[in-house]
Amino acid sequence: GAVVSQHPSRVICKSGTSVKIECRSLDFQATTMFWYRQFPKQSLMLMATSNEGSKATYEQGVEKDKFLINHASLTLSTLTVTSAHPEDSSFYICSADEWTSATTDTQYFGPGTRLTVL
Amino acid sequence: AQTVTQSQPEMSVQEAETVTLSCTYDTSESDYYLFWYKQPPSRQMILVIRQEAYKQQNATENRFSVNFQKAAKSFSLKISDSQLGDAAMYFCAYRSALVGGGADGLTFGKGTHLIIQP
Repeated sequence: GAVVSQHPSRVICKSGTSVKIECRSLDFQATTMFWYRQFPKQSLMLMATSNEGSKATYEQGVEKDKFLINHASLTLSTLTVTSAHPEDSSFYICSADEWTSATTDTQYFGPGTRLTVL
Repeated sequence: AQTVTQSQPEMSVQEAETVTLSCTYDTSESDYYLFWYKQPPSRQMILVIRQEAYKQQNATENRFSVNFQKAAKSFSLKISDSQLGDAAMYFCAYRSALVGGGADGLTFGKGTHLIIQP
């Protein structure tokens, strides 16, 4: 089956620094990747849609200048949390659509990245 | 905008018994996809089952089946012969079927915590 990896799995940083999270599709090409955020004991909230070779589309209320997304290839999308603050501490999960002619209706999820901002 | 509602924050079932998790959704679209995802303590999102709205037949995957009622906008998950490994958070999710293909992010419900009692 399709596998999506994320790196790092957890990161602790100081307030004001920037953190980059990578999302890779390991055995398939993904024209579209998605970034979600999950607070403790809550559901996943879509932050943005990342399309290979074009600008990301952000959901309402998500600051595009704080959460920079780059989708430079068909297997890699990155999320950079700029000038991180404690309120940015959360679990960030990416997902990817497998690009086939058969179906694009299933997203495969990465294992997530736990970000803690001190 | 679409919304997904899971009215059961927590459910408990005896091992080997059957349990049904409820999900309702609100949409003005006629074509879409519905999913059930499982999130164990590892927090890896695992696809349990999916349903295309244009299909009247309810999806089944081994011990997992759905009762899809399009007119009522209801999409419940039935787990038969519950096993200890089924214990997890279960999220119902909605996805638009975009015209001309393409991909859209998922809208999740708040989740149901399923407890399996031995």
